Amino acid sequence: DVKVTQSSRYLVKRTGEKVFLECVQDMDHENMFWYRQDPGLGLRLIYFSYDVKMKEKGDIPEGYSVSREKKERFSLILESASTNQTSMYLCASSLGLGQPQHFGDGTRLSIL
Amino acid sequence: GQQVMQIPQYQHVQEGEDFTTYCNSSTTLSNIQWYKQRPGGHPVFLIQLVKSGEVKKQKRLTFQFGEAKKNSSLHITATQTTDVGTYFCAGPSNDYKLSFGAGTTVTVRA
Repeated sequence: DVKVTQSSRYLVKRTGEKVFLECVQDMDHENMFWYRQDPGLGLRLIYFSYDVKMKEKGDIPEGYSVSREKKERFSLILESASTNQTSMYLCASSLGLGQPQHFGDGTRLSIL
Repeated sequence: GQQVMQIPQYQHVQEGEDFTTYCNSSTTLSNIQWYKQRPGGHPVFLIQLVKSGEVKKQKRLTFQFGEAKKNSSLHITATQTTDVGTYFCAGPSNDYKLSFGAGTTVTVRA
């Protein structure tokens, strides 16, 4: 079974802090994704990566950046956290683009 | 861009009853995927449909892909409390990103 592990289930940070969310997958998947999930808005794609050091913007990349230095690890960075970035963040991986995705447990991030 | 819409947004079901949730895409899809998210959990992949008109069953769940490959449905028979959660459909866009519907949140009355 694919295992996607996110570093924290809950995280509380302050406005203006630099925040790192880490995600690791163990199935050698090429593709990794970061979503945020808000009530009534469903899953919105922030960034995805189809290879090491490669990244593509999703639908809502503003205020975020990503890093993929190793195939198994995909990091989401909030350069200067703001209260409107309080959300549930979900990492996912897939073998091929457009193929089924496997999600981590999510990180519920609160920015105070 | 591509949009995937799901109806209804909420489904309140009496235990033992059947219901159907629908998914519609603004463009033709190469495949349609369904996911389930339990309360407090994360989306879990259920099934993928690829062929026009394809029907697949998982126990009490029946998934169908439309002939034009622009719509899909999930039918649950004899609903149980274990069916509670949000069901998402998703389809690849032209750039192969997955577009997720907003989901149908199912609650069950015992």
